[in-house]
Amino acid sequence: DAKTTQPPSMDCAEGRAANLPCNHSTISGNEYVYWYRQIHSQGPQYIIHGLKNNETNEMASLIITEDRKSSTLILPHATLRDTAVYYCIVRVHGSSNTGKLIFGQGTTLQVKP
Amino acid sequence: EAQVTQNPRYLITVTGKKLTVTCSQNMNHEYMSWYRQDPGLGLRQIYYSMNVEVTDKGDVPEGYKVSRKEKRNFPLILESPSPNQTSLYFCASSRRQGGTDTQYFGPGTRLTVL
Repeated sequence: DAKTTQPPSMDCAEGRAANLPCNHSTISGNEYVYWYRQIHSQGPQYIIHGLKNNETNEMASLIITEDRKSSTLILPHATLRDTAVYYCIVRVHGSSNTGKLIFGQGTTLQVKP
Repeated sequence: EAQVTQNPRYLITVTGKKLTVTCSQNMNHEYMSWYRQDPGLGLRQIYYSMNVEVTDKGDVPEGYKVSRKEKRNFPLILESPSPNQTSLYFCASSRRQGGTDTQYFGPGTRLTVL
């Protein structure tokens, strides 16, 4: 699975959009980009995933560059409850260990009032 | 409500005293997995199971055992716990599909081995 690079920390004002970047320059054509977050030692929570098209759900939007070497997770209106560690993960579907997630260090997002 | 449950949530034990951490999911998921989380090392996979009676080692399996006798349950067994197994443990499950498979995590079990 491709390695990802994320900034270690970011701040965001409450009510503003939080844009979390992720670099995955060695991603291959069959690898998806996933985002999870972990709030204060709770179990990681799935946010969104995509292959090459931009995706949106009730939690966030995922923007993947055309060359797929980087992506951005967007929380449109961050709240204090969005303060968490955000993990960007890329992985192949259908491998022998189909569910394995390789977590890096992630980005600690601090939403401030 | 779809969920993954773990018990106990907190446990303090002593070296060598066998313990079991239970994990159960109510989503009829085929795939289940155990991770441990340590400061500076992130989450690492211990064992996983693709289905009933099918288990395999993850990245850090030493000192752990698992079993998958029923689809919903995937207990983690520490036969002789040691202090280096002090950690935060997470169980996870997902539907095994060829396409996208969202993984659901339990709330975690914080284990301290003295």
